[in-house]
Amino acid sequence: DGGITQSPKYLFRKEGQNVTLSCEQNLNHDAMYWYRQDPGQGLRLIYYSQIVNDFQKGDIAEGYSVSREKKESFPLTVTSAQKNPTAFYLCASSDRHYTGELFFGEGSRLTVL
Amino acid sequence: AQKITQTQPGMFVQEKEAVTLDCTYDTSDPSYGLFWYKQPSSGEMIFLIYQGSYDQQNATEGRYSLNFQKARKSANLVISASQLGDSAMYFCALRYSGGGADGLTFGKGTHLIIQP
Repeated sequence: DGGITQSPKYLFRKEGQNVTLSCEQNLNHDAMYWYRQDPGQGLRLIYYSQIVNDFQKGDIAEGYSVSREKKESFPLTVTSAQKNPTAFYLCASSDRHYTGELFFGEGSRLTVL
Repeated sequence: AQKITQTQPGMFVQEKEAVTLDCTYDTSDPSYGLFWYKQPSSGEMIFLIYQGSYDQQNATEGRYSLNFQKARKSANLVISASQLGDSAMYFCALRYSGGGADGLTFGKGTHLIIQP
């Protein structure tokens, strides 16, 4: 089955620690995205990548980093510089040559203790 | 700048009634797309329906239809004959660049609760 796999589903972290969220897709999509969701805020774009070895900042990139070494993978690192990292993180991909519909993973819920 | 506004934070609807979820948008790009997604309590985002800015007909997908009023910059989702399983968060989203490579801008969502 084609889709997007995010791991871990739940993650707890102490303040001051970096944590990396995994996102893998087998849809052969060029574009991949990371969104953050807070209660009552909708989804906000953190980073996106249109092609391997290239990525751009979204609206709320501060305190986050990404890499795109393979077409299938787009990991997100939440660094200690992110002041309020507790949130629900959603990874998505799209076929940029069609409507732009996003296909989402099931999300990763990060809690900072 | 692109913007999506959903003015209904929450709605209660009786089962089997029709539901209209409001969405207005703002963009200066003549080519854009509008999406609706459903998010159940489990968290995954489920694509419901898409409307392109140049599409002449309103989009329909089963019980979902999109009431697209371009001049008013409005893209309301209509769910006919609501079911208990329709209870979820609903998000309207705007794709504002060609090809969708820059992602979507989302509204804050409407929490829909269907009552038996």
